[in-house]
Amino acid sequence: GENVEQHPSTLSVQEGDSAVIKCTYSDSASNYFPWYKQELGKRPQLIIDIRSNVGEKKDQRIAVTLNKTAKHFSLHITETQPEDSAVYFCAASIEGDKLIFGTGTRLQVFP
Amino acid sequence: EPEVTQTPSHQVTQMGQEVILRCVPISNHLYFYWYRQILGQKVEFLVSFYNNEISEKSEIFDDQFSVERPDGSNFTLKIRSTKLEDSAMYFCASSGLQGAQGEKLFFGSGTQLSVL
Repeated sequence: GENVEQHPSTLSVQEGDSAVIKCTYSDSASNYFPWYKQELGKRPQLIIDIRSNVGEKKDQRIAVTLNKTAKHFSLHITETQPEDSAVYFCAASIEGDKLIFGTGTRLQVFP
Repeated sequence: EPEVTQTPSHQVTQMGQEVILRCVPISNHLYFYWYRQILGQKVEFLVSFYNNEISEKSEIFDDQFSVERPDGSNFTLKIRSTKLEDSAMYFCASSGLQGAQGEKLFFGSGTQLSVL
């Protein structure tokens, strides 16, 4: 089955800097890759997603890139703000199937 | 904006007792899921449900677990005889029709289950 690995497990950045979180997946049939943000004690919230027919997608300060050949995808947050501090999870699925999550990255943005 | 709602938010139970976790998915969604998250760990898939039957389940979802959609709105997870290791946050999730937008998964706020 699908296995998703995520790095780093923790990431500390200064406010205004960029943050990059990377994930790799094992199943080449996976074609949908969402990213979720989870604040302490809250539900995971979808922040951006990408499908395998697209290489990059941007939404304001957030972007996701996908390399299907290498089976990895990354989340890029620019101009980080303290409210970006949270745990970020990547996930992969075959369209319509269950999501398999990565192990999470705890992002801390220091003012 | 429509939300997945879950009750209760917290559930404390004794080992060996049965618990039922309740969820109301988004009304026009057709695919329903239960995930769990042990404190500090990743979100893990338990079971998916479509057209009134289980479509897939993980190895975590053993004979002690069952799901039901007793009416047109509720989706429940039952654990028959809870164990200490069942302590976790349980998230219900739903998604709409398959297709361009169908796989966006929306999570409920979770039920924190503590087994003593």
